[in-house]
Amino acid sequence: ETGVTQTPRHLVMGMTNKKSLKCEQHLGHNAMYWYKQSAKKPLELMFVYSLEERVENNSVPSRFSPECPNSSHLFLHLHTLQPEDSALYLCASSQVRPSTEAFFGQGTRLTVV
Amino acid sequence: DAKTTQPPSMDCAEGRAANLPCNHSTISGNEYVYWYRQIHSQGPQYIIHGLKNNETNEMASLIITEDRKSSTLILPHATLRDTAVYYCIVGTNAGKSTFGDGTTLTVKP
Repeated sequence: ETGVTQTPRHLVMGMTNKKSLKCEQHLGHNAMYWYKQSAKKPLELMFVYSLEERVENNSVPSRFSPECPNSSHLFLHLHTLQPEDSALYLCASSQVRPSTEAFFGQGTRLTVV
Repeated sequence: DAKTTQPPSMDCAEGRAANLPCNHSTISGNEYVYWYRQIHSQGPQYIIHGLKNNETNEMASLIITEDRKSSTLILPHATLRDTAVYYCIVGTNAGKSTFGDGTTLTVKP
């Protein structure tokens, strides 16, 4: 248990569905991140939120839409995904300061059919 | 953020020390070295980090060379549960740093 909880742990969705991934942290952190990990590929940073403001969007397609309503919660809204979007989606949190470590959730395994 | 180079795989006998090397020759003066590990299909687990001094915690030790161009993660008594992919990353903030391919450590009985 790292203090970062992701739900659901597994999700299967059709290409026309709309779903949301949820991340919650209980560490008092003020920065949150979404990562994507495809099979046999390194982790890819998707979005960064610092003090509830989105500060990075690393060329992620618009079918992925993040939302950070407060410093403890982060969502990733999904719509009209493609099969190649199937991956492990990881959430992490940290403090907004140099040298800080980040803590990851267990991830959501997403399969798009 | 600086890039890192790690061997793709290593083996270690159970109960022996596992020494995982990492090269980061382009590291900047304000960048830290972080180590994480990832057991199959789980989220990465933070292990340790440091700037220039050697660090030790309950999980591992981190040895950083004086010129900071390389480092070694030491697991003093490896167990089968230490089998994982180990990532060495450098940056000012671990959450925004770039993860590479890491080293797959296999601990054998």
